[in-house]
Amino acid sequence: GAGVSQSPSNKVTEKGKDVELRCDPISGHTALYWYRQRLGQGLEFLIYFQGNSAPDKSGLPSDRFSAERTGESVSTLTIQRTQQEDSAVYLCASGASVTNYGYTFGSGTRLTVV
Amino acid sequence: AQKITQTQPGMFVQEKEAVTLDCTYDTSDPSYGLFWYKQPSSGEMIFLIYQGSYDQQNATEGRYSLNFQKARKSANLVISASQLGDSAMYFCAMRDPLGGGSYIPTFGRGTSLIVHP
Repeated sequence: GAGVSQSPSNKVTEKGKDVELRCDPISGHTALYWYRQRLGQGLEFLIYFQGNSAPDKSGLPSDRFSAERTGESVSTLTIQRTQQEDSAVYLCASGASVTNYGYTFGSGTRLTVV
Repeated sequence: AQKITQTQPGMFVQEKEAVTLDCTYDTSDPSYGLFWYKQPSSGEMIFLIYQGSYDQQNATEGRYSLNFQKARKSANLVISASQLGDSAMYFCAMRDPLGGGSYIPTFGRGTSLIVHP
């Protein structure tokens, strides 16, 4: 597609349930990033994929968070046993690892844990 | 340690006037890149402008320009001739190589810009 696609756009889940968020990057973009943005806050780095290299998971806040990416295609971010503090917008971005043209962001998934 | 600092939580500007949004950064690497993004109320992140650490000239993109002062480690965004549609959150970000060669953009907390008619 022409842009980064994220689904679902909105997700309301009950505390304790697992959720899976999906990111479909721009074709050919080797780098893929997941960020979390809490209401009124900046972007908090979660995880970074670069091609077939091992992902950089240094930003994941707890072991309830995990992410996968197959090659240079779709990525899924999974949050297990969701907590209310997980409520946020989860943004995905893709691009070349070293780029002068910025990274393209998806529209995000707004997660609400009730 | 915070790498990107945006000290202005909110800014107001009159339509058609220029406004400067501040950004300072911290890195020990000589090779890095600086970005500015706009996030309107719709939530999308829109790339505005990029400055590389080795670029000799300040970056410009239409009404956006970057006042890059390397010695002071500042990369302020200047928006000329403000328009009502410029009202949004603005984020400064830096990409520098981490250990192992990772390049992970780090974002500041953002500045909310409101343009008055």
